[in-house]
Amino acid sequence: GEEVAQTPKHLVRGEGQKAKLYCAPIKGHSYVFWYQQVLKNEFKFLISFQNENVFDETGMPKERFSAKCLPNSPCSLEIQATKLEDSAVYFCASSPARGSYNEQFFGPGTRLTVL
Amino acid sequence: AQTVTQSQPEMSVQEAETVTLSCTYDTSESDYYLFWYKQPPSRQMILVIRQEAYKQQNATENRFSVNFQKAAKSFSLKISDSQLGDAAMYFCAYAMEYGNKLVFGAGTILRVKS
Repeated sequence: GEEVAQTPKHLVRGEGQKAKLYCAPIKGHSYVFWYQQVLKNEFKFLISFQNENVFDETGMPKERFSAKCLPNSPCSLEIQATKLEDSAVYFCASSPARGSYNEQFFGPGTRLTVL
Repeated sequence: AQTVTQSQPEMSVQEAETVTLSCTYDTSESDYYLFWYKQPPSRQMILVIRQEAYKQQNATENRFSVNFQKAAKSFSLKISDSQLGDAAMYFCAYAMEYGNKLVFGAGTILRVKS
């Protein structure tokens, strides 16, 4: 597609439950990024992929968070045992190639609310 | 680690006037990119303008222009002829040349008065 698609739009989970978010990058884009925007509007980089390979995971919390980009499937971000502090909007972005010259196209985000 | 600072939490401008949003950053890299993103209430992130650090010429995109001062590590955004549709949160962001990941500032809320 011509836009980054993210599902679901909203996700509500009780504390301790699992949350799984999906991202379909723009067709032909080989780089995928996940960012977390917390309620104070701060953006935090989580992880990036080059095709199905992890490219940079320096922002990924060591526990509870995992992500995958498998061939012919949407990318996913999974949070095990959610905590109140995981409440945020999670953005996925895709880019056609390596090199920061290439624009990152953002999806509409998934709002995760942990109760 | 690279950091981006936006010291203005909120700015206001009268319609048709000009406003400048400030951004400073810290890096030891010589090659990098700087960006301004707009986030309206819909939360959709929209790239407004980008600047390559190796280019001395300031980037411009229609009513949007930047003042890039590499030595001072400053990257401000000027919006001319402000329109009601410019009201949004604006984020300054940095990326290393091949690092790809964006490092964002805290954002500046821009309000446009009619």
